[in-house]
Amino acid sequence: QKEVEQDPGPLSVPEGAIVSLNCTYSNSAFQYFMWYRQYSRKGPELLMYTYSSGNKEDGRFTAQVDKSSKYISLFIRDSQPSDSATYLCAMTPADKLIFGTGTRLQVFP
Amino acid sequence: GAVVSQHPSWVICKSGTSVKIECRSLDFQATTMFWYRQFPKQSLMLMATSNEGSKATYEQGVEKDKFLINHASLTLSTLTVTSAHPEDSSFYICSAQGQSPGTQYFGPGTRLLVL
Repeated sequence: QKEVEQDPGPLSVPEGAIVSLNCTYSNSAFQYFMWYRQYSRKGPELLMYTYSSGNKEDGRFTAQVDKSSKYISLFIRDSQPSDSATYLCAMTPADKLIFGTGTRLQVFP
Repeated sequence: GAVVSQHPSWVICKSGTSVKIECRSLDFQATTMFWYRQFPKQSLMLMATSNEGSKATYEQGVEKDKFLINHASLTLSTLTVTSAHPEDSSFYICSAQGQSPGTQYFGPGTRLLVL
């Protein structure tokens, strides 16, 4: 079993939809959780960073962490075509990042 | 803030030559930098962790004599692919550790093609 499992997608949604991206993990030592967005042929961009259970909101993005269930989510509201990218969850005890495999999202007009 | 640059953005070289890739943190100091490799439609694979002023720590299966890493200052780490072969063709991405625990800020990546 992988330490981090991520829904592979791909997801294809219409503009304006709410998108839910999810990851589960097995290592209780993970304390810090991140979501990265990666456009094709570019490096990943840090979107959200959390370290406690609960929700964290930043504009159209909400990161949710449930440590008891070992489950994290990223919600994108009012999705835009510019959100089309691969989204990677990542987590760490505090050193190396362990990444999910990524979910490819396409938002069509 | 937290901008990381890489140079070059792409490089084509002949088999047997060496290629150096630079990674710089532009607006912050990074004690620790990381080097990743990414194949098409796959996630990032950590190659090594680079600490300023000390030897890099390589992941299992990564040849340290082939992928030379130098972290000479708090803003610069370099990856040299020695005697490159076509199978070394890949997308190489560096990252720099941020102030918040666990955070990493990534460079734009370097695409290497070995002919």
